[in-house]
Formats: sequence, structure tokens, C-alpha cells
Amino acid sequence: DSGVTQTPKHLITATGQRVTLRCSPRSGDLSVYWYQQSLDQGLQFLIQYYNGEERAKGNILERFSAQQFPDLHSELNLSSLELGDSALYFCASSGGTGGVFEKLFFGSGTQLSVL
Amino acid sequence: DAKTTQPPSMDCAEGRAANLPCNHSTISGNEYVYWYRQIHSQGPQYIIHGLKNNETNEMASLIITEDRKSSTLILPHATLRDTAVYYCIVRVEGAGTASKLTFGTGTRLQVTL
Repeated sequence: DSGVTQTPKHLITATGQRVTLRCSPRSGDLSVYWYQQSLDQGLQFLIQYYNGEERAKGNILERFSAQQFPDLHSELNLSSLELGDSALYFCASSGGTGGVFEKLFFGSGTQLSVL
Repeated sequence: DAKTTQPPSMDCAEGRAANLPCNHSTISGNEYVYWYRQIHSQGPQYIIHGLKNNETNEMASLIITEDRKSSTLILPHATLRDTAVYYCIVRVEGAGTASKLTFGTGTRLQVTL
């Protein structure tokens, strides 16, 4: 158990809909990262938050947004969903801003299926 | 960040050492070598990292060549639970760089009886 909690574990929805994925980082971790893993793209970095502020952005679509709340949990919002958004979404956390010795601890993921 | 090359798949008999190679010939002096693994559909798990010296922890050993252009992850006594995709990642040090943890396609290690 990594200590990172993601909910829900599975999510099935239709095209055009909007969903919210939730992540609770390990106790005391200030950084939260979101990754998307699809069969054809592998594990792709989406976005990082540190103590409530956006820290770094990867290949995140404009239809996707995220935020980190004062209690440090994070939510990833996916809107106008398309079939291609079906993937496993992972959240990870680390203790600091993401320096060289930062180990990332990953949650067990949310499997999103867009039908 | 430097690109890495790993074999797509490897087999290993249970109880034997699993040696997973990684080529990172364009690595620069301030880039570390990290290894993560991902057991089927679970989140990736940190294994080990190093700069230029060999490293060992409770999970594995990391051997980095003197020119740092390649490295080998060694699982000394592989078990069935070590069956996973192993990712070799080269990453620049510095604040904020964990976000650039770029996962390639990795090596799928199959441990067999």
C-alpha cells in the first residue's frame, strides 16, 4: 500500500460527459501528480501541484483541469469526454516540490471507460 | 532528459537473478538513473536510483557503467511477484523535475517456475 488513495476505482460514462477523479496523497506529502496510461500512449504525465499551486504541466488537454485543495487532496476534472479518453488515470504524491531525490508514490489508479 | 533504450521483454526463472539492461548513451553529467516497476494495472513503484556509483537496497542493485552510458538493474533472487514492467528513467536533478519523470515502454519481465 503506497498510502495514496484514488477514488473511484472504476468509472464508466458516455461521450460528452464530465467526470471528476479524486486523489488523497500520502500523509504529509505536498506534491500531487496526475498521469494517464492508455494502451497506445503508455504512461503520460499530465500535471503537478505543490501545496495548492500548479507546479508543472505536461500533455494535458484543455478539456482536462485539476486542482489541489487546502487539505492537499486533488481532483482531476475531465469534460466533453471522448472515446480516446478511456484510460487508467494515476495519481502520485511526493514530499516536496519534486527535486532530484523525490520518490513518487503512486495510487492504484482510476480506470475510466468512455462508451 | 536523456532517452533510454530497454529490451521489450525478458524471461527469468524463479530464484535466479534477473538482470535488466538499460542504455542511456546520451546521458549528461547531472542526470540520475531511476528504476520503477509496474505490476499489472497497479501504479508504478519506485525501486532504486543512482548517479554514478553502484547502489543497493532491499529490493535491488543498480550497476552503472563507468561512462554512465548504460546500467543494469539486478533482482538477486527473482520471484513470481517480480513479474512486471520495469522502467528505466533518466532524469535531470533539480527542484520541480520530478514532473518530468517520463516513462518509456520499459521491459516486461516474466518470472517463471
